Amino acid sequence: DIQMTQSPSSLSASVGDRVTITCRASQNINNCLNWYHQKPGKAPELLIFAASSLQSGVPSRFSGSGSGTDFTLTISSLQPEDFATYYCQQSCSSPPTFGQGTKVEI
Amino acid sequence: QVQLQESGPGLVKPSETLSLTCTVSGGSISNYYWSWIRQSPGKGLEWIAYIYYSGSTNYNPSLKSRVTILVDTSKNQFSLKLSSVTAADTAVYYCARGDYVWGTGTNFDRWGQGTLVTVSS
Repeated sequence: DIQMTQSPSSLSASVGDRVTITCRASQNINNCLNWYHQKPGKAPELLIFAASSLQSGVPSRFSGSGSGTDFTLTISSLQPEDFATYYCQQSCSSPPTFGQGTKVEI
Repeated sequence: QVQLQESGPGLVKPSETLSLTCTVSGGSISNYYWSWIRQSPGKGLEWIAYIYYSGSTNYNPSLKSRVTILVDTSKNQFSLKLSSVTAADTAVYYCARGDYVWGTGTNFDRWGQGTLVTVSS
């Protein structure tokens, strides 16, 4: 299985901050990388697919970049509703696997 | 707007079979991959299996020997059976729609709300 490692595991930020989360794959996954966020008690929601494509309805303050083994999710200006846990997921190889999550806290 | 809803027992005894159903509303089950994913504190998010509307399946090797996934297109439902459960199978179980994007694989673009299944006697 491809291992996905996120960093940091948690971070503290303020409204308006620029936030960056990284995800590293244990082998080359080209651009087969998706990002989700999850609020407490809710299901994950897709933010970014194919490393950099914004899912329909997702605000433009979210962006993704990277290719190969190293990927980044950036929130350009953190909003109150963005405090959540963020996960990356590789979709190149079966089984699809997720990172361990990054919790964004106030 | 496509919606997914899990249903099934919230408590299962050790060694028995966990059975869940996902009902898809607001859209057709055709032309998508339909997955089960679970989340436990100890193992994070774990993909279990998917089924295509045509019936083809793919299973996580770590669970393959215990998992069966089926689809019923007439009812717009798909289901999960996980046999010989133990406490390690206690988790929130989600059903999700898989959208295949050519060249980049399948992302999960719609999820059910999740259902907690506890394995305990």
